[in-house]
Amino acid sequence: DIQMTQSPSSLSASVGDRVTITCRASQSISDLLNWYQHKPGRAPRLLIHGASRLQSGVPSRFSGSGSGTDFILTISSLQPEDFATYYCQQSFNTRYTFGQGTKLEIK
Amino acid sequence: QVQLVESGGGAVKPGRSLRLSCVVSGFTFNSHGIHWVRQTPGKGLEWVAVTWPGTSTGYYADSVKGRFTISRENSKNTVYLQMNSLRAEDTAIYYCVRDLAREAFDIWGQGTMVTVS
Repeated sequence: DIQMTQSPSSLSASVGDRVTITCRASQSISDLLNWYQHKPGRAPRLLIHGASRLQSGVPSRFSGSGSGTDFILTISSLQPEDFATYYCQQSFNTRYTFGQGTKLEIK
Repeated sequence: QVQLVESGGGAVKPGRSLRLSCVVSGFTFNSHGIHWVRQTPGKGLEWVAVTWPGTSTGYYADSVKGRFTISRENSKNTVYLQMNSLRAEDTAIYYCVRDLAREAFDIWGQGTMVTVS
């Protein structure tokens, strides 16, 4: 099975900060990597698919990069509504494995 | 408006069964795969199962294979998740999710809670 490892597990940042979250796959997954945002009590939201393609309606401060085994989610300037948990997910195989999540908190 | 609405969650004892339903609207049901994804308490997200249009065959996570069955009823725009032999570790919020081009999960329902205790 493909394992997805995110770092850090948690992160404190301030409004306006630039933030990066890393996701590493245990084997190459090409660009079949997605990023989701999840807030408590709400449905998860697709942010980025195909490693770098911004989902419709998602603000342009979110961006994704990487291929193979190493991927990055970048939030260029944190807004108050961005504090949430972020998950990466591989779609290279039909196990659709998620990372363990990165909780982004207000400093 | 694209919508997926889950129902059927609740509290059950270990070994019992439960059936979840997911009614979809706002898009062509027969054109999309539909997944179930769960979030266990204090933990992250886990893909559970998927049903693809045009086939009755479902695909499952190893943790539920042989116990859970996914099915779709096209006339009702509904996907079901039959959960048998439930275990404490199946306790989770279960989300019904639309597939995007077999690549990502683009529309999520609000979820339904299942507690096995």
